[in-house]
Amino acid sequence: GENVEQHPSTLSVQEGDSAVIKCTYSDSASNYFPWYKQELGKRPQLIIDIRSNVGEKKDQRIAVTLNKTAKHFSLHITETQPEDSAVYFCAAAKLNTDKLIFGTGTRLQVFP
Amino acid sequence: DADVTQTPRNRITKTGKRIMLECSQTKGHDRMYWYRQDPGLGLRLIYYSFDVKDINKGEISDGYSVSRQAQAKFSLSLESAIPNQTALYFCATSSGGGADTQYFGPGTRLTVL
Repeated sequence: GENVEQHPSTLSVQEGDSAVIKCTYSDSASNYFPWYKQELGKRPQLIIDIRSNVGEKKDQRIAVTLNKTAKHFSLHITETQPEDSAVYFCAAAKLNTDKLIFGTGTRLQVFP
Repeated sequence: DADVTQTPRNRITKTGKRIMLECSQTKGHDRMYWYRQDPGLGLRLIYYSFDVKDINKGEISDGYSVSRQAQAKFSLSLESAIPNQTALYFCATSSGGGADTQYFGPGTRLTVL
């Protein structure tokens, strides 16, 4: 079955710096890659997603890149702020199933 | 998101007890999911349902069962709880039709002593 590996498990950055979280997936048929953010004590919420027909997608300070050949995708956060501190989960799915396989999460801490 | 609710929010129970976690949604979504979250293991899919008559096992269904009572309600049962089922449980919904956002409930923290 599909497996999604996520690195690093923890990441600490200074406010204003960039943060990058990387994921790899095993099933080459996967074609949908969302990222969820979970603040402490809260529920996961979608922050950005990408489909396999594009290589990059941006939304203000966050961006996701996809390398289908290498089966890698990454989340990039620029100009980090303390409110970016949270656990981030990547996931992979095949579009016609809606069954997400999640990575193990990255705890991002942004220090003022 | 107040449109997906879970009850109870916290539950402490003993080994061997039967327990039911309930999820309700007012989003009108057909698809509902149960996940389990453990530190360092992320979110793992237990069961999912694409409509009232459809129930599917996820990655870790052993020891769990579900019931889809209506489009808006999806319950997760632990027939005989064991300590390693101590975890945070999330219900989620989506409208389906492809790459749709999953909307999570607030979670139920379950402790099995």
